[in-house]
Amino acid sequence: DADVTQTPRNRITKTGKRIMLECSQTKGHDRMYWYRQDPGLGLRLIYYSFDVKDINKGEISDGYSVSRQAQAKFSLSLESAIPNQTALYFCATSAGKGTYEQYFGPGTRLTVT
Amino acid sequence: RKEVEQDPGPFNVPEGATVAFNCTYSNSASQSFFWYRQDCRKEPKLLMSVYSSGNEDGRFTAQLNRASQYISLLIRDSKLSDSATYLCVVAGYALNFGKGTSLLVTP
Repeated sequence: DADVTQTPRNRITKTGKRIMLECSQTKGHDRMYWYRQDPGLGLRLIYYSFDVKDINKGEISDGYSVSRQAQAKFSLSLESAIPNQTALYFCATSAGKGTYEQYFGPGTRLTVT
Repeated sequence: RKEVEQDPGPFNVPEGATVAFNCTYSNSASQSFFWYRQDCRKEPKLLMSVYSSGNEDGRFTAQLNRASQYISLLIRDSKLSDSATYLCVVAGYALNFGKGTSLLVTP
């Protein structure tokens, strides 16, 4: 079984709709991250969390919110989706404690029409 | 200035060739460095960490030059399966990713 899972894997939604992307991990890592990837722009950090009570904005947090429901779960919400939020979204985890390697989920392909 | 900059690519090389990718970073306080591999529409996967002394993993060799803030990845004896995008990554409070360099290995 995959260590980091994301649901849904693909989603098409309309402008103005609320949508939630979910991430779960069985790696036992404290740190979790949400990124988006756009062609030509690379990976950009949206939000990150170093533990259940810690939430931090990343480079491009406007229009997004997150919830860390448990050590193993970190969800990303788009309160009112807009077309320029069409992208590939990745969740990642890391152990912290002096290590920086991150392990990524399979991604969610989101299209906002 | 972007924190992590990579060769723009794409690199098209024949099987068996040696290919090198370069990367520079702007934050001299960075402590950890990685190369990730990403296949089309898939998640990035850790290829190898990069250490000051240089490190090798089979056909892959990574080097770090802290004085020049420069990282490299050398792939020897390229295989068709090496075709992918290679991401240079520098660790801060989160990971800073380069935009990636595309490699296509042809028969």
